[in-house]
Amino acid sequence: GAGVSQTPSNKVTEKGKYVELRCDPISGHTALYWYRQSLGQGPEFLIYFQGTGAADDSGLPNDRFFAVRPEGSVSTLKIQRTERGDSAVYLCASSPLIGDRGRGTGELFFGEGSRLTVL
Amino acid sequence: QKEVEQDPGPLSVPEGAIVSLNCTYSNSAFQYFMWYRQYSRKGPELLMYTYSSGNKEDGRFTAQVDKSSKYISLFIRDSQPSDSATYLCAITDSWGKFQFGAGTQVVVTP
Repeated sequence: GAGVSQTPSNKVTEKGKYVELRCDPISGHTALYWYRQSLGQGPEFLIYFQGTGAADDSGLPNDRFFAVRPEGSVSTLKIQRTERGDSAVYLCASSPLIGDRGRGTGELFFGEGSRLTVL
Repeated sequence: QKEVEQDPGPLSVPEGAIVSLNCTYSNSAFQYFMWYRQYSRKGPELLMYTYSSGNKEDGRFTAQVDKSSKYISLFIRDSQPSDSATYLCAITDSWGKFQFGAGTQVVVTP
């Protein structure tokens, strides 16, 4: 398909375990974003990539969270020593950047999210 | 205090009514304003985008920005049951960190 793909769609794990969530963005989209959404809340910014580098990781809550995008396409969000409070839907979005200043269009194309439940 | 405030609702209206949604923000550096729609268990999708004060229309949707009051609105005319969803405002000062409101749940009853 042509949209943003996230796997797994659902993940149930136990407290203390390690989890990886994968995002496959729309082909050619330079920017990639990770957000976290808890029930009844709006998406909370975690990290933003331009190409391979993390341009802004100020939203990562602590050092248990880490994300990579080694080839500028697929990204993986990694959570170590999971806690019950990490339970949420993790949304990935990609966006094209246009113009020589890399200005965006305002459109983030979201995947359907990975629903993480930590027991 | 959050940088973007949005009443979570729910907001229930009869079919055909006008839906009025709004957000307030605190940082005057914000200059790009968006509204997203999110259906249950789906990712948000962009409805409207603007970067200037004033009104912008797209079909049944009108987005309004008042930078002096740090207030943005979305109006949906002739609302339909298919408009039932959560509406999220999103604001940014650059094309990196988009700040989202909490989302307003809208229910349009036939």
